[in-house]
Amino acid sequence: DAGVIQSPRHEVTEMGQEVTLRCKPISGHNSLFWYRQTMMRGLELLIYFNNNVPIDDSGMPEDRFSAKMPNASFSTLKIQPSEPRDSAVYFCASSLLVRRETDTQYFGPGTRLTVL
Amino acid sequence: LAKTTQPISMDSYEGQEVNITCSHNNIATNDYITWYQQFPSQGPRFIIQGYKTKVTNEVASLFIPADRKSSTLSLPRVSLSDTAVYYCLVGYTGNQFYFGTGTSLTVIP
Repeated sequence: DAGVIQSPRHEVTEMGQEVTLRCKPISGHNSLFWYRQTMMRGLELLIYFNNNVPIDDSGMPEDRFSAKMPNASFSTLKIQPSEPRDSAVYFCASSLLVRRETDTQYFGPGTRLTVL
Repeated sequence: LAKTTQPISMDSYEGQEVNITCSHNNIATNDYITWYQQFPSQGPRFIIQGYKTKVTNEVASLFIPADRKSSTLSLPRVSLSDTAVYYCLVGYTGNQFYFGTGTSLTVIP
């Protein structure tokens, strides 16, 4: 398996522009997670889906952020409009939802977002 | 709700054993303890998981005392390639995915 695939790997944009990050989970996995990582705050969970349904989006910082999972093999995280403080590395992860207490998450390589 | 607490950073020389302790005072009965490792410019990856006593795999050992309020990740004979950030996760209800800032381990030649 190719693992979790994220695109783009790097994104540089200007403040106010729309940014869309993409993720393809591991085939057969039915949980998908979006994280944001910064030096100051570490790795933070933004939102996660079970079977394409959003379960917890309490980590989404504000209304400028939205995430969708239209099918089991694709998810997007959109920021509109983007701001410099959104600059971070965004990770997507997936897991096979068997037992939440022991599920292992598999992370993608991340998207490094820079908002100028 | 208390989360996990780890040292921010540690240094070790090559060939030594490294122990990283994580505190999780409010761990629940059903919670497992999971450790992830993250290299620069990569996503975290699973290294070990346990519930109680001791777990060992080809990479590390995990020691969990009877009260389960803490756990210790043990890396035997570290090498330069073990330089990474190590995260301790505990499945608190409603907060199962708290990675925080982890412990940055630097292995010195």
